Amino acid sequence: AQTVTQSQPEMSVQEAETVTLSCTYDTSESNYYLFWYKQPPSRQMILVIRQEAYKQQNATENRFSVNFQKAAKSFSLKISDSQLGDTAMYFCAFMKHDGNQFYFGTGTSLTVIP
Amino acid sequence: EADIYQTPRYLVIGTGKKITLECSQTMGHDKMYWYQQDPGMELHLIHYSYGVNSTEKGDLSSESTVSRIRTEHFPLTLESARPSHTSQYLCASSEYRTGGDTEAFFGQGTRLTVV
Repeated sequence: AQTVTQSQPEMSVQEAETVTLSCTYDTSESNYYLFWYKQPPSRQMILVIRQEAYKQQNATENRFSVNFQKAAKSFSLKISDSQLGDTAMYFCAFMKHDGNQFYFGTGTSLTVIP
Repeated sequence: EADIYQTPRYLVIGTGKKITLECSQTMGHDKMYWYQQDPGMELHLIHYSYGVNSTEKGDLSSESTVSRIRTEHFPLTLESARPSHTSQYLCASSEYRTGGDTEAFFGQGTRLTVV
């Protein structure tokens, strides 16, 4: 079975600063996908960034980047130049290569302080 | 914005009533999911479907049932609502594509309160 662990229930960061959210996972699969999703208060869950396990290069999307360490089964999210709109719950998720089922972590509540 | 819709957004209903939460997607995705989420908490998979006439129970035991008669629709039904069913219900869909642009798309959720 796959498990996803987010060990930081809550975090805060000053506006314009950088913050890193942690995620570890456990799997026996060799190829899979990892995701970070954002859920703003009372808003729809949206994809922030995606990483394929067979790609060594870390994914980046504007201010968002990941540090993917396959051997350590670690997938952290770095948010640079934090903005007030980044305040949200962030969920790390895992999907096997067959595309069936997403496994979510317990989430990290991030607050950006003005 | 994702083409997946849930209705109603908010529902307050009395104990014992039968309710159906609607979920529709226009992306032609085969895979659809229902998650239960208490406010600010983790997501629990309660049902999923890999296509028409395919439904499976998820990791979290639920008294709800689902159906998948059409690709676009994946309704969730509670035959007799109870206060313990009070929660947010999130519907999602996905399509596995080679090349790496796979993702799950989520609806806006239905916040259910059973009084």
